[in-house]
Amino acid sequence: EDQVTQSPEALRLQEGESSSLNCSYTVSGLRGLFWYRQDPGKGPEFLFTLYSAGEEKEKERLKATLTKKESFLHITAPKPEDSATYLCAVQLYGGATNKLIFGTGTLLAVQP
Amino acid sequence: KAGVTQTPRYLIKTRGQQVTLSCSPISGHRSVSWYQQTPGQGLQFLFEYFSETQRNKGNFPGRFSGRQFSNSRSEMNVSTLELGDSALYLCASSRLAWAYNEQFFGPGTRLTVL
Repeated sequence: EDQVTQSPEALRLQEGESSSLNCSYTVSGLRGLFWYRQDPGKGPEFLFTLYSAGEEKEKERLKATLTKKESFLHITAPKPEDSATYLCAVQLYGGATNKLIFGTGTLLAVQP
Repeated sequence: KAGVTQTPRYLIKTRGQQVTLSCSPISGHRSVSWYQQTPGQGLQFLFEYFSETQRNKGNFPGRFSGRQFSNSRSEMNVSTLELGDSALYLCASSRLAWAYNEQFFGPGTRLTVL
């Protein structure tokens, strides 16, 4: 069964304390992996797309990496405004049905 | 440039009723996807429409249906509501079909089923 698992479920960091969020997947055929950020009361906001193992993408304090079985979202020197739920999703190959499966997210709280 | 809009923002219904949610995509976007978000299951893909045709479908029962109009606006309908249908329903638009890396999400419709 295709599955996406995110860990930890929740993470509390002090401002400036770097850490990583994990997204592991067991899927039949990966077309792409996406990271989103979701603030309370809002829809998810797209951050990154990764397509192949070894690929890396960076944006400000965030860096996403991909291996054959998992992806990491590294947060360097986070600030309180980085507090949000971070979601990963995988897009599968499947003929005409390119399924998109989300993880349940990591709730990140950065304290000043 | 206006973002994705969803109406209504909040809705309360009772079991057995049906409901219709509306989504207006960003101007120029022809793809609209719908998602259900619950605390237990997270974000789950419902279906995607592109140029008035359903291009992709998740694993939801037939009570969940949708359509897209020629102006790309989309509606989602849930018939015979169940308590478990209480959720945040999100729509997202993109220029192309299956372009999940270019999706812009709306704020969602919070549906409560009593």
